[in-house]
Amino acid sequence: NAGVTQTPKFRVLKTGQSMTLLCAQDMNHEYMYWYRQDPGMGLRLIHYSVGEGTTAKGEVPDGYNVSRLKKQNFLLGLESAAPSQTSVYFCASSHDRGSGNTEAFFGQGTRLTVV
Amino acid sequence: GESVGLHLPTLSVQEGDNSIINCAYSNSASDYFIWYKQESGKGPQFIIDIRSNMDKRQGQRVTVLLNKTVKHLSLQIAATQPGDSAVYFCAEGVEYGNKLVFGAGTILRVKS
Repeated sequence: NAGVTQTPKFRVLKTGQSMTLLCAQDMNHEYMYWYRQDPGMGLRLIHYSVGEGTTAKGEVPDGYNVSRLKKQNFLLGLESAAPSQTSVYFCASSHDRGSGNTEAFFGQGTRLTVV
Repeated sequence: GESVGLHLPTLSVQEGDNSIINCAYSNSASDYFIWYKQESGKGPQFIIDIRSNMDKRQGQRVTVLLNKTVKHLSLQIAATQPGDSAVYFCAEGVEYGNKLVFGAGTILRVKS
């Protein structure tokens, strides 16, 4: 049981390049999330998904796209990277909040630098 | 390691003392609140949660207090240990909703 796994762990991109971050969870969670974490700030929600085939915008969705083609995977895409997207990205998953279980499990993070 | 803590408030405590980390939340309609611990280079880890219909909840060495009147949340850690050194975040959410909003975080440093 690996929990939440993010790949890659580190990446450096040039401005304008594209990339996809992969998140995989093996806990059969319905909900998955992508957050970014910047120095001096808490985690901010980029996009989330409440089930396979569904996605929704969070607090800071601009410049990102997501897809949830399989229940266990949640992909975060940057179509044209900008220096402002330099950050640490965290994926998380959780059960349906209506289940009464509020705990979200986080991956180890992806440190992305855009130069 | 992470540079996330550079501009965060810091609480320094002596090993063995009790720690109290505070958080002001924003949404009076939030149904639950969670405390997360984040160690350097790792993702946040769930510590404890509390529902809005409660004012206190205890776990192992931790107690969370909720004061809805002033929208304040606190995390008390008993007999603080060096392994407790981390950044602590509070988060609030709405039942049946999907957005968990995180606070900015507090650095806890434990002196041996």
